[in-house]
Amino acid sequence: QSVLTQSPSASGTPGQKVTISCSGSSSNIGTHTVNWYQQLPGTAPKLLIYTNNQRPSGVPDRFSGSKSGSSASLAISGLQSEDEADYYCAAWDASLIGPVFGGGTKLTVL
Amino acid sequence: QVQLVESGGGVVQPGRSLRLSCAASGFTFSGFAMYWVRQTPAKGLEWVARIAYDGSDKHYPDSVRGRFTISRDNSKNTLYLQMNTLRTEDTSVYYCAREGVGLGGWTVDYWGQGTLVTVSS
Repeated sequence: QSVLTQSPSASGTPGQKVTISCSGSSSNIGTHTVNWYQQLPGTAPKLLIYTNNQRPSGVPDRFSGSKSGSSASLAISGLQSEDEADYYCAAWDASLIGPVFGGGTKLTVL
Repeated sequence: QVQLVESGGGVVQPGRSLRLSCAASGFTFSGFAMYWVRQTPAKGLEWVARIAYDGSDKHYPDSVRGRFTISRDNSKNTLYLQMNTLRTEDTSVYYCAREGVGLGGWTVDYWGQGTLVTVSS
């Protein structure tokens, strides 16, 4: 059971906007920044969003992140087939004194 | 470009030991804290060890404390994970990962491709 809670699946059609949510607590998302990772099939996770809403260079601006209280969201607009992947949220946890991850959301592009 | 390449995974019996290595390149290895993070379909992603940039500080979750030891050789740009008294529940893909610097908060910004450890009799 992951510390951060994500819906196990999401889907959308090409061109649509999809939002993936991540719920935590005051010891993690409530007081620390959130990162999002994209994991394509058979590959390692790749940093997609850091510090709640910042994109590393090379990440398209179709991807955006936000945080409110103890929850965070990843939005993907203009959905493309290559966005089909697993998406994970992560944050530092002050109680566990270590990083915690969401269980992942599998995004299917219909 | 940043590269992290893990090695040392394999099949091992319960109670035995295994050492993983991670060769780093494309950045100043001695300037970054490093992690080992594991992943299974059932349990998802779980950090198993963190080491400070100079090796002076090490942290582990309860699940592996006392059994796993993280270390690094900055002269060889290599990270290690010594895993002792392995259990079946340690079966996972193990990733080496770099902790980002100056990004405004905790971040792991680069991951290796992973190495599979299977603990089975």
